[in-house]
Amino acid sequence: DSGVTQTPKHLITATGQRVTLRCSPRSGDLSVYWYQQSLDQGLQFLIQYYNGEERAKGNILERFSAQQFPDLHSELNLSSLELGDSALYFCASSARLAGDTGELFFGEGSRLTVL
Amino acid sequence: DAKTTQPTSMDCAEGRAANLPCNHSTISGNEYVYWYRQIHSQGPQYIIHGLKNNETNEMASLIITEDRKSSTLILPHATLRDTAVYYCIVLNQAGTALIFGKGTTLSVSS
Repeated sequence: DSGVTQTPKHLITATGQRVTLRCSPRSGDLSVYWYQQSLDQGLQFLIQYYNGEERAKGNILERFSAQQFPDLHSELNLSSLELGDSALYFCASSARLAGDTGELFFGEGSRLTVL
Repeated sequence: DAKTTQPTSMDCAEGRAANLPCNHSTISGNEYVYWYRQIHSQGPQYIIHGLKNNETNEMASLIITEDRKSSTLILPHATLRDTAVYYCIVLNQAGTALIFGKGTTLSVSS
């Protein structure tokens, strides 16, 4: 158990809909990262927050947005869903910024299926 | 961040050492080498990281060449549970996020 909690574990929805994925980082961790993993793309970095502030952006679509709240939990919002958004979405947390010899702790992921 | 090159797949017999190579010939002086693994659709798991010196922990050993252009992750006694995709990642200290490549699929068989 990494200590990172993601909900929901599974989600099935239709094209055009909007969903919210939630992540609770390990106690005390200030950084939260979101990754998307689909069969053909591998693990893609989406976005990183540190203590409520956006720190880095990867290949995140404009239809996707995220935020980190004062209690440090984070939400990833996916809107106008398309079939290609079907994927595993992982959240990870670390105590410090990833490059500061810290290690990332990943949750078990949220599996999104868009029909 | 420097690019890494890993073999697509490797096989290892249970109980033997698994040696997973990684090439990072463009690594710069302040970049660390990180290794993670992902066991079938689970969240990636941190294994080990290093800068210049060889490192060892309860999971594995990391051997970094003197010129730092390549490294090897060693699982000393591979078990079936070590079957996974292993990712070698080079990361600087600027606080950027880990960028995963395709990794090496290690298959451990009895």
